[in-house]
Amino acid sequence: KQEVTQIPAALSVPEGENLVLNCSFTDSAIYNLQWFRQDPGKGLTSLLLIQSSQREQTSGRLNASLDKSSGRSTLYIAASQPGDSATYLCAVMASSYKLIFGSGTRLLVRP
Amino acid sequence: SQTIHQWPATLVQPVGSPLSLECTVEGTSNPNLYWYRQAAGRGLQLLFYSVGIGQISSEVPQNLSASRPQDRQFILSSKKLLLSDSGFYLCAWSAGFTEAFFGQGTRLTVV
Repeated sequence: KQEVTQIPAALSVPEGENLVLNCSFTDSAIYNLQWFRQDPGKGLTSLLLIQSSQREQTSGRLNASLDKSSGRSTLYIAASQPGDSATYLCAVMASSYKLIFGSGTRLLVRP
Repeated sequence: SQTIHQWPATLVQPVGSPLSLECTVEGTSNPNLYWYRQAAGRGLQLLFYSVGIGQISSEVPQNLSASRPQDRQFILSSKKLLLSDSGFYLCAWSAGFTEAFFGQGTRLTVV
């Protein structure tokens, strides 16, 4: 059974700091991994999608990497801003199209 | 472009009453469709997913059921709500093994 874990559960950093969020999964037989952002009381916004054949994806200040063999992904946020404060979730998609989520990392960027 | 609609945004229902939440997708055909529940401060629990009309996979045996009467319509139902059914319900879609997109969610409070 696929399990997805995110560390840390919560993170508080001063504005301008670079930070790394971690995601690990137990079954490496995935088709893709996706990072999402969720603001309080809202739905999820897709940030980055990494297909299983890819190693990383970049969008602006965000960079996500994938090491499928070790079951790990990281989301790197450069020069963090207060507007980056949100919960960040990763999810993996299996061959059955099942999409399994981690429990998320709550990020607070202090001005 | 593709859009996903989920309604209502909020719902307050008494214990023992029925439930029907609807999700529709526009601008695509044969999407994978998903229902998730999110408890306060927690990750997303996959409830049901569907890869085609009439095909429903249930992940968590409970007081809920799902149906897909049309290609781009996914309905979450209950005959009798329990207090434990309270939560934030999210619908999502994806096209094959590609990026998943979420609706804005329904906050259900069972009283």
